[in-house]
Amino acid sequence: QLQLQESGPGLVKPSETLSLTCTVSGGSISSSLYYWGWIRQPPGKGLEWIGSIYYSGSTYYSPSLKSRVTLSVDTSDNQLSLKLSSVTAADTAVYYCVRHPAGYYDSIGYYPYYFDYWGQGTLVSVSS
Amino acid sequence: DIVMTQSPDSLSVSLGERATINCKSSHSVLYSSNNKNYLAWYQQKPGQPPKLLIYWASIRESGVPDRFSGSGSGTDFALTISSLQAEDVAVYYCQQYYDNPPMYTFGQGTKLEI
Repeated sequence: QLQLQESGPGLVKPSETLSLTCTVSGGSISSSLYYWGWIRQPPGKGLEWIGSIYYSGSTYYSPSLKSRVTLSVDTSDNQLSLKLSSVTAADTAVYYCVRHPAGYYDSIGYYPYYFDYWGQGTLVSVSS
Repeated sequence: DIVMTQSPDSLSVSLGERATINCKSSHSVLYSSNNKNYLAWYQQKPGQPPKLLIYWASIRESGVPDRFSGSGSGTDFALTISSLQAEDVAVYYCQQYYDNPPMYTFGQGTKLEI
């Protein structure tokens, strides 16, 4: 059974960089069939996609966060990582690690589909 | 970006009754070349991550009870629970995966109560 487990600091100071890791078990992050991503949910609010990455390193980012987000994969450790720079209180949220089918492929790349597996999420608060 | 708007924001339904949640997209999510609607539905129970219920607008994910069904095409969609059970209390979200380059957006959520 696939499991996604987020880990990282629960408290980050304003203007600093939020760093999270997602460890994938029960499946390989190097599978050609899937993208892996991050979605966040501020307390009591809705869902916001942050970005997604393929095992090769190909990435898609939300335009609203693109300037502050970096995703990476470590295929040897079966992990993906999220870095979000210059955080403010507005970045306080539960951060979820997700998987989605890689989807349609053309000469430009893949167009991943819906999110079929979610981690339990980790709450990150931004406060001094 | 494609904006997803759900209605209502909250819904109270009696046990055993039908519940219907609507989702409207600001742009059609029907891809003409394969006639598929790039629309998914998720269920989020308190304190849990969202769970995929429906994809391609009407395909139930494995293990999802058949009282859940998805319908619609183009810009207007619905999630229907045919006979509400106590364990269906949750917030439900629709999501599009049509945008190119990929940009995934969710509806604001609909809170379903007994």
